[in-house]
Amino acid sequence: NAGVTQTPKFRVLKTGQSMTLLCAQDMNHEYMYWYRQDPGMGLRLIHYSVGEGTTAKGEVPDGYNVSRLKKQNFLLGLESAAPSQTSVYFCASSYWGGTYEQYFGPGTRLTVT
Amino acid sequence: AQSVTQLDSHVSVSEGTPVLLRCNYSSSYSPSLFWYVQHPNKGLQLLLKYTSAATLVKGINGFEAEFKKSETSFHLTKPSAHMSDAAEYFCVVSDQSGGYNKLIFGAGTRLAVHP
Repeated sequence: NAGVTQTPKFRVLKTGQSMTLLCAQDMNHEYMYWYRQDPGMGLRLIHYSVGEGTTAKGEVPDGYNVSRLKKQNFLLGLESAAPSQTSVYFCASSYWGGTYEQYFGPGTRLTVT
Repeated sequence: AQSVTQLDSHVSVSEGTPVLLRCNYSSSYSPSLFWYVQHPNKGLQLLLKYTSAATLVKGINGFEAEFKKSETSFHLTKPSAHMSDAAEYFCVVSDQSGGYNKLIFGAGTRLAVHP
């Protein structure tokens, strides 16, 4: 049982390049989330999904797109990377909403030059 | 709207002494509150959660937190710090107003433990 995994662990992009971050969970969770973590700001929600085929915007969605074609996978895309997107990105999943615990992946450190 | 404020960005203690990490929350209804821990270069791990049952919540690794409605606080404590407790700690409130489990994170408190 691997829990929540993220690919890649590190990435450096030039401004304007695109990339996709992959999140996978093997716990059969319905809900999945993408966060970004910046110094002194805690984690902020980018997008989330409440089930296969559904996605919704979080607190800071601009510049990102997501897809949930399979229940176990949640992809985060950057179409045209900007230096302001330099951050650590975390994926999380939970069985349901409410007070259910969110399980986090190890993170992806992205640098945009 | 829900929010949390962690009152200290850095806390430094000696090994074997008590730990106190302070958190105040703002909520328009009875909140669900969490403490998460993040060790260097790792993801976040749940320490404990409060969901309107007992006001004193016990978590993993000897940590506990007390929900005080009158003070709108949810401070995290541990009687005796261990070197392995050095990490960043996040106080989190659950906002269910949007129909899903949105977590609102505090800015974090970095705990340093000295020998």
